[in-house]
Amino acid sequence: GDSVTQTEGQVALSEEDFLTIHCNYSASGYPALFWYVQYPGEGPQFLFRASRDKEKGSSRGFEATYNKETTSFHLQKASVQESDSAVYYCALGTGGNEKITFGAGTKLTIKP
Amino acid sequence: GGIITQTPKFLIGQEGQKLTLKCQQNFNHDTMYWYRQDSGKGLRLIYYSITENDLQKGDLSEGYDASREKKSSFSLTVTSAQKNEMAVFLCASSPNWGGYAEQFFGPGTRLTVL
Repeated sequence: GDSVTQTEGQVALSEEDFLTIHCNYSASGYPALFWYVQYPGEGPQFLFRASRDKEKGSSRGFEATYNKETTSFHLQKASVQESDSAVYYCALGTGGNEKITFGAGTKLTIKP
Repeated sequence: GGIITQTPKFLIGQEGQKLTLKCQQNFNHDTMYWYRQDSGKGLRLIYYSITENDLQKGDLSEGYDASREKKSSFSLTVTSAQKNEMAVFLCASSPNWGGYAEQFFGPGTRLTVL
């Protein structure tokens, strides 16, 4: 079945550091890949999506590039802020199936 | 824009009790979902519904029932609450575009079982 693996369970950085959260997937064909962000006490919010090889998704300074060769969709941000502290989820969806498969999430903590 | 409303925000029940969680959306979306989120863990799909009166089981449906009587509402019933299922229950909706559409989430219902 489809699966999403987020390597890091927790990431701790200082403000203005460069962020990478790794996401690898396993699915047949061309799944759509997503990043969601969840702030404390809230439901997850859609960040962005990519649906074909080499497509870049981006929002709020975050970006990720769909890589079919390495089956990856790593989240990056050049300079993080304290307000970016949250849990980030990578997810995938496939055509003809209403379900989205979520990764386990990565908790990002930014120290001021 | 639209909004997803979940009631109640906090739900406290006794072990073995039957409990119902409610979700309303005004996006006019076809598909709605219920997820369970255990503390510090990811999201696990309990039930989803692609249209009124439709129900599809997710990976964690045992011990739960669901009901989609109207397009805008989706209810989840915990048939016999257990202490090991204390969690946040999240409702979501999406347009009926298959797995390519983003999901919009409500704020969640936190379940405590005494």
